[in-house]
Amino acid sequence: QSALTQPASVSGFPEQSITISCAGTSSDVGAYDYVSWYQHHPGKVPKLLIYDVSYRPSGIPYRFSGSKSGNTASLTISGLQTEDEADYYCCSYTNRNTCIFGTGTSVSVL
Amino acid sequence: EVQLLESGGELLHPGGSQRLSCVASGFTFSSYGMGWVRQSAGKGLEWVALISYNGGNTYYAESVKGRFIISRDNSKKTVYLRVNNVTVEDTAIYYCVKNWRPNRNFDAFELWGQGTVVVVS
Repeated sequence: QSALTQPASVSGFPEQSITISCAGTSSDVGAYDYVSWYQHHPGKVPKLLIYDVSYRPSGIPYRFSGSKSGNTASLTISGLQTEDEADYYCCSYTNRNTCIFGTGTSVSVL
Repeated sequence: EVQLLESGGELLHPGGSQRLSCVASGFTFSSYGMGWVRQSAGKGLEWVALISYNGGNTYYAESVKGRFIISRDNSKKTVYLRVNNVTVEDTAIYYCVKNWRPNRNFDAFELWGQGTVVVVS
């Protein structure tokens, strides 16, 4: 089972909004609302940003939001901050009782 | 403090075996599904395996099915990953993860350990 497809990189200026897509299939993203997003600063531990497509755990800033349309999920960062420069991964439950991560997106703040 | 602490990573030869351990603290371990996620150098995250809260169900990625075994000991608040017949492609940081909701699997990975490194060479 291949990884979910994300753009390799996305960039934006401070305070801009960016969106990262996560393309899957009707067997994973399109079939379940168990889509989550993780932020990973190199050398640190990944952090859960979004669960169940669009919910934020306590302590995650409001500027992070998630959505889904069909087989594609999206993460939007509104009001980009310098500390948001990191790698971002989506993850989805699948109909084979597995979990599949996306290919990862490197976010740069210009 | 809520945390996961992995151990057991080391240098292995191709075909070798090792058991990774992850000790949990700060939450009701026996209520949560637990899993392992790995990351190879310069690559993305890859889900490896997950075990249900009571150990009754186990799930594996195709890439490790038949070679890796996940297990848990709720009395010791510990989850294990036995890696068998390893190849160079198994070289990675192995992270222990805790499922988001109790008594559920796969909804999200709320808590991550610091990782333990397995090198196959």
